[in-house]
Amino acid sequence: DIQMTQSPSSLSASVGDRVTITCRASQVIRNNLAWFQQKPGTAPKSLIYAASSLQSGVPSRFSGSGSGTEFTLTISSLQPEDFATYYCQQHNTYPLTFGPGTKVDLK
Amino acid sequence: QMQLVQSGAEVKRPGASVKISCKTSGYTFTTYYIHYVRQAPGQGLEWMGIINPANGDTHYAQTFQGRVTMTRDTSTTTVYTELSSLRFEDTAIYYCARGSRWEQNVFDMWGRGTMVTVSS
Repeated sequence: DIQMTQSPSSLSASVGDRVTITCRASQVIRNNLAWFQQKPGTAPKSLIYAASSLQSGVPSRFSGSGSGTEFTLTISSLQPEDFATYYCQQHNTYPLTFGPGTKVDLK
Repeated sequence: QMQLVQSGAEVKRPGASVKISCKTSGYTFTTYYIHYVRQAPGQGLEWMGIINPANGDTHYAQTFQGRVTMTRDTSTTTVYTELSSLRFEDTAIYYCARGSRWEQNVFDMWGRGTMVTVSS
């Protein structure tokens, strides 16, 4: 199975900050990487697929990049509604696997 | 509008089975694959498997092989997942998620989840 890791595991930031989260895959997954946002008590929300493509309706302050084994999610200017946990997921090979998550909270 | 509506919470004994559902609406049922993903309390996300509603073909994570069965009913546009030989560690929220039309493993919509509690 492809192992996914994320760093940091948590971070504290302020509204307006630029935030970057890194995700690494244990094998090459080309650009088959997705990002999800999850708030407490709710289902995950799909943000990005194919490493850099935004899902419909996702604000443009979210962006993704990377290929191969290293990927990043960037929030250009953190908004109050962005405080959540973010997961990466490889959609290259079965079983689909997720990173352990990065919790973004208020500094 | 397009929706995935999941069945209500379940409480089961260890060793029992549970069958949960994901009712789809607002789109052509047979066009989009459905996945199941679970999340234990305070933990991360774990992929369980995928079903092709057009023909019922499935692929399961090895972790669940032999214990999980995903089926579909095209007349009611519903996907079912049954998990057998339940253990305490199967206590989790079970989400269904839709694969996108052009890439079956890209999730574009999620249900709200079904809480399954395994307790003696």
